[in-house]
Amino acid sequence: DVKVTQSSRYLVKRTGEKVFLECVQDMDHENMFWYRQDPGLGLRLIYFSYDVKMKEKGDIPEGYSVSREKKERFSLILESASTNQTSMYLCASSPGGVTEAFFGQGTRLTVV
Amino acid sequence: AQKVTQAQTEISVVEKEDVTLDCVYETRDTTYYLFWYKQPPSGELVFLIRRNSFDEQNEISGRYSWNFQKSTSSFNFTITASQVVDSAVYFCALSEYNTDKLIFGTGTRLQVFP
Repeated sequence: DVKVTQSSRYLVKRTGEKVFLECVQDMDHENMFWYRQDPGLGLRLIYFSYDVKMKEKGDIPEGYSVSREKKERFSLILESASTNQTSMYLCASSPGGVTEAFFGQGTRLTVV
Repeated sequence: AQKVTQAQTEISVVEKEDVTLDCVYETRDTTYYLFWYKQPPSGELVFLIRRNSFDEQNEISGRYSWNFQKSTSSFNFTITASQVVDSAVYFCALSEYNTDKLIFGTGTRLQVFP
């Protein structure tokens, strides 16, 4: 079974901290994604990567950056966390060719 | 612009009732893909179905069925004889040809009571 693992289920950080959210997939997928889920807004794409060291901005990239140094790992970085970044963050991977995406269990981040 | 609308925010039914979740989409492309995902309380989105824009056949999988109508830009999802385990948030999503980026609707929370 494909597995997408996010390093933390719950995280509490202080305003201004640099925050790293880690995601690892074990199926050699080309594509990886970071989404943010907020009530009433659904899931919104922050960044995605279609290859190692390749990245593209999604719909809401402001305040975030990403890193993909190895194919299996895709990190989301909040350079200076703010309270409006309190949210559920979901990582996903897909093999490409417009097939289904596989999601991690999510990280609920609270910035205080 | 691409957009997915799930007008039903929350639906409550009693077990064994049939329930339909609506999904309306907008896209300029002629080739695109539509998806449904289920998000149970555990949080992980689970893939249910993918349909491409050239295949308007309805699909049935057990108690689940999907009705795709290009004429009305809709891709509705029906659960027959609902069960408590169907309680979840359901998302409809759209991706355009040759991209795996998903555009999600806002989701419909389904509560099935015993």
